Amino acid sequence: EPEVTQTPSHQVTQMGQEVILRCVPISNHLYFYWYRQILGQKVEFLVSFYNNEISEKSEIFDDQFSVERPDGSNFTLKIRSTKLEDSAMYFCASSADYGYTFGSGTRLTVV
Amino acid sequence: GDSVTQMEGPVTLSEEAFLTINCTYTATGYPSLFWYVQYPGEGLQLLLKATKADDKGSNKGFEATYRKETTSFHLEKGSVQVSDSAVYFCALLRIQGAQKLVFGQGTRLTINP
Repeated sequence: EPEVTQTPSHQVTQMGQEVILRCVPISNHLYFYWYRQILGQKVEFLVSFYNNEISEKSEIFDDQFSVERPDGSNFTLKIRSTKLEDSAMYFCASSADYGYTFGSGTRLTVV
Repeated sequence: GDSVTQMEGPVTLSEEAFLTINCTYTATGYPSLFWYVQYPGEGLQLLLKATKADDKGSNKGFEATYRKETTSFHLEKGSVQVSDSAVYFCALLRIQGAQKLVFGQGTRLTINP
């Protein structure tokens, strides 16, 4: 069964540093997403990406965040100047029609 | 805006007990509805879904029926097992646009042997 692959599974970074979270969506999917889950809380939508541009973003997705599809397979989330409150599990997902698949997540710890 | 409300957790049951986790939603139009499960230390797995009113989603003994009249999608299982211990998320998907999933707050379920 096709999978969404995320790397790394766990990243520790110092406050103020930049991090890039990587995702390989399912190859024939057209929509790509990032979600965030702060420990013990609900899963929150960050951004959706379609046709090489952002199609929707939440109020969480401020200028600190950016997404990119640098080639035909990868989809990245960049967080500039990380803050302690960015510590969370970040999930990538991709979809086509009603088929929505999540990756296993990257746990980001900002220290 | 769209929203999903789940019953407060945590929920603790004995093995073989009957499970209900309530979920209600607010949305414009006719969203698709989902239950996701998150086992300890893992990602989100789709448990079941329903795409229109009166549809029943089912998987691994779990069931949920899309009730438009009560805007609900309650999760049920007749006899739970210890291996069902996890966090369960109800979610809706808007049909239009970029298909953003809106999640409920999650319900932590613990099954004791």
